[in-house]
Amino acid sequence: DQQVKQNSPSLSVQEGRISILNCDYTNSMFDYFLWYKKYPAEGPTFLISISSIKDKNEDGRFTVFLNKSAKHLSLHIVPSQPGDSAVYFCAASVGSNYQLIWGAGTKLIIKP
Amino acid sequence: NAGVTQTPKFQVLKTGQSMTLQCAQDMNHNSMYWYRQDPGMGLRLIYYSASEGTTDKGEVPNGYNVSRLNKREFSLRLESAAPSQTSVYFCASRPRGSGNTIYFGEGSWLTVV
Repeated sequence: DQQVKQNSPSLSVQEGRISILNCDYTNSMFDYFLWYKKYPAEGPTFLISISSIKDKNEDGRFTVFLNKSAKHLSLHIVPSQPGDSAVYFCAASVGSNYQLIWGAGTKLIIKP
Repeated sequence: NAGVTQTPKFQVLKTGQSMTLQCAQDMNHNSMYWYRQDPGMGLRLIYYSASEGTTDKGEVPNGYNVSRLNKREFSLRLESAAPSQTSVYFCASRPRGSGNTIYFGEGSWLTVV
């Protein structure tokens, strides 16, 4: 039973446009959410996070939105750049618990 | 600026062989983790160490053992490798007070034939 789901295995977006990556969760106890980015042959790197007391967090071109009632979060990248092509993972946890639960990832391809 | 370093990067084992994946971090982090990543699945926690001298099981510990040798090093051992352990393994570390932001190594690709 996957508690964190990324239903789109891949997403293709034109350079300069907005990329929207989605993540759904089932555990209402999750209160901290993160997005990680992974290039081939490298480890995941932290991108942005949000706690459940907020519904939006912004960092440059990256914004994460949290809809607690729908148990849904999304990552917006505006504008999309070729270097954004990577696999994006969302992860969730209960409080400061070490045990992050991860989605399966979405491969983002930015087309020139 | 090494961060989290894993060795080896690639390994092919025969079924039943044993091996140890090594991990070291130079960021003075308290917690360390071993994950595996399989196609179509998220990262799954194998074992973790909240601090030097302690280790605990994660989501998928069967077939693995770990050692937190000191604050810097956390090794993962496969005593009798099975084809189901073919995967990419990531070591990670987390400083105290960082929330849940963790820092990953580059990964170790293991194939068991």
